[in-house]
Amino acid sequence: GENVEQHPSTLSVQEGDSAVIKCTYSDSASNYFPWYKQELGKRPQLIIDIRSNVGEKKDQRIAVTLNKTAKHFSLHITETQPEDSAVYFCAASITDGNNRLAFGKGNQVVVIP
Amino acid sequence: SQTIHQWPATLVQPVGSPLSLECTVEGTSNPNLYWYRQAAGRGLQLLFYSVGIGQISSEVPQNLSASRPQDRQFILSSKKLLLSDSGFYLCAWSVGGFGEKLFFGSGTQLSVL
Repeated sequence: GENVEQHPSTLSVQEGDSAVIKCTYSDSASNYFPWYKQELGKRPQLIIDIRSNVGEKKDQRIAVTLNKTAKHFSLHITETQPEDSAVYFCAASITDGNNRLAFGKGNQVVVIP
Repeated sequence: SQTIHQWPATLVQPVGSPLSLECTVEGTSNPNLYWYRQAAGRGLQLLFYSVGIGQISSEVPQNLSASRPQDRQFILSSKKLLLSDSGFYLCAWSVGGFGEKLFFGSGTQLSVL
């Protein structure tokens, strides 16, 4: 089955700097890769996603890049702000015919003012 | 627009007591429905998912069960709670394939004492 791993588990950045979180996946047939942001005590919310036919996608200060050959994808946050502090989860589609995702264990991002 | 309702927000139950958590979705038809559990400081564990009325798939063997009596209603139950059932329970829905565009409910914090 699909196995998704995230690195690093915790990331601290100075406000205004960039943050990069990397995820690796095991199933080369996976074709959908979303990122979710979860603030403390709240629900995870989809912030950006990418399909396997695209190498990069941007939305304001966040971007996701996908390397299908290496089976990894990354979340890039530029000009970080305190409100970017949260746990970020990556996920990959499970390709066994059932509609679900395999999630990574999450990265805690702390933006230091 | 679509909305998802999950209740209660918090629940404290004694060991051995029953459990019923309910989730309903509005504004969409035939959604894929999911129950996730999040232990403190850990990732998202998929418990159950359903692609239609009366159809339930279980990801892990456990003390819990799920039912889908109506198209947009998903219920998580237990006959006798264990201490290890404590956690943050999240209902979610999607309408795409592969669990795409997953939208989470606000969650239920369950403490089993």
